[in-house]
Amino acid sequence: GAGVSQSPSNKVTEKGKDVELRCDPISGHTALYWYRQSLGQGLEFLIYFQGNSAPDKSGLPSDRFSAERTGGSVSTLTIQRTQQEDSAVYLCASSLIAKNIQYFGAGTRLSVL
Amino acid sequence: AQSVTQPDIHITVSEGASLELRCNYSYGATPYLFWYVQSPGQGLQLLLKYFSGDTLVQGIKGFEAEFKRSQSSFNLRKPSVHWSDAAEYFCAVASGGGADGLTFGKGTHLIIQP
Repeated sequence: GAGVSQSPSNKVTEKGKDVELRCDPISGHTALYWYRQSLGQGLEFLIYFQGNSAPDKSGLPSDRFSAERTGGSVSTLTIQRTQQEDSAVYLCASSLIAKNIQYFGAGTRLSVL
Repeated sequence: AQSVTQPDIHITVSEGASLELRCNYSYGATPYLFWYVQSPGQGLQLLLKYFSGDTLVQGIKGFEAEFKRSQSSFNLRKPSVHWSDAAEYFCAVASGGGADGLTFGKGTHLIIQP
């Protein structure tokens, strides 16, 4: 079947604007993860969903970041009032259950000008 | 807190030569360990994993890794590399609960010389 799908693949925005990044997990996968990949910080875990619930949001870099998941499927990562330091590749992964193998999407490359 | 160290930022090997990429982890309990590969502009592809059992695990593309608890290591090996193996390689550890996501090393950039 289809893999993890992320959209858009590239996003260029101006500082101060809001952006929404979308992740469509593999069908039937109950766990969904967001990561950020940047040159300075490497790969950072942001947030995890089991179903529609995110037990721990402490990995989000600031209160400008939020994420939701609806219907146990699609997830959206929203960044408000974007800053240049938000420029990175945002990766989404899903797994059949927690603790299982995570399958990654190709990512969204965000550039904040 | 768990952590992963990949000591080599870049490694250059000749095509056909053997490869070993190093990974050391810090985790209190038995870890779940992974190696992922990332080609330019691509997401992460799982090469292999260790959850329990046999400490020598086989993966895709001819890769293998050995879990050594005494050394807190999970090194990746391949007997003979191909030009297509040039990529970024990441070692990762997961807690048993899964809710913390994966903790990744900084990655090793593999360059293949003809």
